Amino acid sequence: DQQVKQNSPSLSVQEGRISILNCDYTNSMFDYFLWYKKYPAEGPTFLISISSIKDKNEDGRFTVFLNKSAKHLSLHIVPSQPGDSAVYFCAASVTGNQFYFGTGTSLTVIP
Amino acid sequence: DAGVTQSPTHLIKTRGQQVTLRCSPKSGHDTVSWYQQALGQGPQFIFQYYEEEERQRGNFPDRFSGHQFPNYSSELNVNALLLGDSALYLCASSSGRFQGAGGYTFGSGTRLTVV
Repeated sequence: DQQVKQNSPSLSVQEGRISILNCDYTNSMFDYFLWYKKYPAEGPTFLISISSIKDKNEDGRFTVFLNKSAKHLSLHIVPSQPGDSAVYFCAASVTGNQFYFGTGTSLTVIP
Repeated sequence: DAGVTQSPTHLIKTRGQQVTLRCSPKSGHDTVSWYQQALGQGPQFIFQYYEEEERQRGNFPDRFSGHQFPNYSSELNVNALLLGDSALYLCASSSGRFQGAGGYTFGSGTRLTVV
């Protein structure tokens, strides 16, 4: 049972434009949400997080939005840079212990 | 400051064999979690070790077992390997069991191929 879903396997964006990556979840008990970025042959790298008491968290070019009523999470990257090209995973947890990951979205930023 | 170190990087085993994967956590971290990432999938939680005990376990059979040593390093053992065990095995470390805001630090993984 896939509790966290990323329905877009891939996304291509022009350099300088906004990248929007989406994630849906089914478990209303999730209270921590994270985004990880993964380059080939490397482990996932923590990018940004948000707790269920917030609806937005911003860190530089990266902003995560949480819509609890829709059980939807999104990551905005503005402006997108070629170095952002990677696979992005969203993950969710109850109490920040065991994390459930989505299947990932491969982002390509075109120079 | 070394991050999470996993060994070996790649491994090929025959169906039915046993395998041991190793992980050294990031300096200052005391909790190790293991994840399995099959091709085209996201990482799936196997189990977590804290204070040398398994604290939480995902939906994996007893063929998967682990250990944590006093220096916080950890091993993942898989017995009676199946073709479906072929995957990237990721070790993640953290300071404490609960990582809501900060997330884990992941290693680069061990690529296990079962033939």
